[in-house]
Amino acid sequence: DAGVIQSPRHEVTEMGQEVTLRCKPISGHNSLFWYRQTMMRGLELLIYFNNNVPIDDSGMPEDRFSAKMPNASFSTLKIQPSEPRDSAVYFCASSPRTLSYEQYFGPGTRLTVT
Amino acid sequence: GQQVMQIPQYQHVQEGEDFTTYCNSSTTLSNIQWYKQRPGGHPVFLIQLVKSGEVKKQKRLTFQFGEAKKNSSLHITATQTTDVGTYFCAGPKTGANNLFFGTGTRLTVIP
Repeated sequence: DAGVIQSPRHEVTEMGQEVTLRCKPISGHNSLFWYRQTMMRGLELLIYFNNNVPIDDSGMPEDRFSAKMPNASFSTLKIQPSEPRDSAVYFCASSPRTLSYEQYFGPGTRLTVT
Repeated sequence: GQQVMQIPQYQHVQEGEDFTTYCNSSTTLSNIQWYKQRPGGHPVFLIQLVKSGEVKKQKRLTFQFGEAKKNSSLHITATQTTDVGTYFCAGPKTGANNLFFGTGTRLTVIP
């Protein structure tokens, strides 16, 4: 089992540019979560999907952030336009079921916006 | 709103000493999970507790779920340098299918 795969692992971009983060969940898992981690705010849930359907996006900071899950094996998190305050580590996690089941995290994407 | 708090925020211990982190929720939890994140790494699931008063052990780690299901603790006996990292508790959001992660306790073990 390859685990959750994220790409890129590191991204450095200039303010105003579009950034797309990618995630491949563990095969067979039907829940997918996007988190953001910073020293100041800790680990924050941005959005999660169940069976490819967005269930709760209340954690998405603002309209600059959008996430999609076109199929069970792929999801994207897009930031457009990016801002320096978006600099953080973004984790994708998947779970075999919603609620009460452990989450498996990917290695994360470290985003730096200059 | 619903909150999950952890104390302490940081803990430095000498190798061989014990370590405990505490997790407190503002609401009753159906279950609680614990994760460990090594420096530069990603959170890794350790264990889940479901029953009131439940105690589970993993080698030198002991996890406990409070009787009221609003608090939990993780105790490490005789810490080793491999225990270094941040320990998070996480509980399900009331009426939803996602987790609230605690603020984490960063453990440093001094050789």
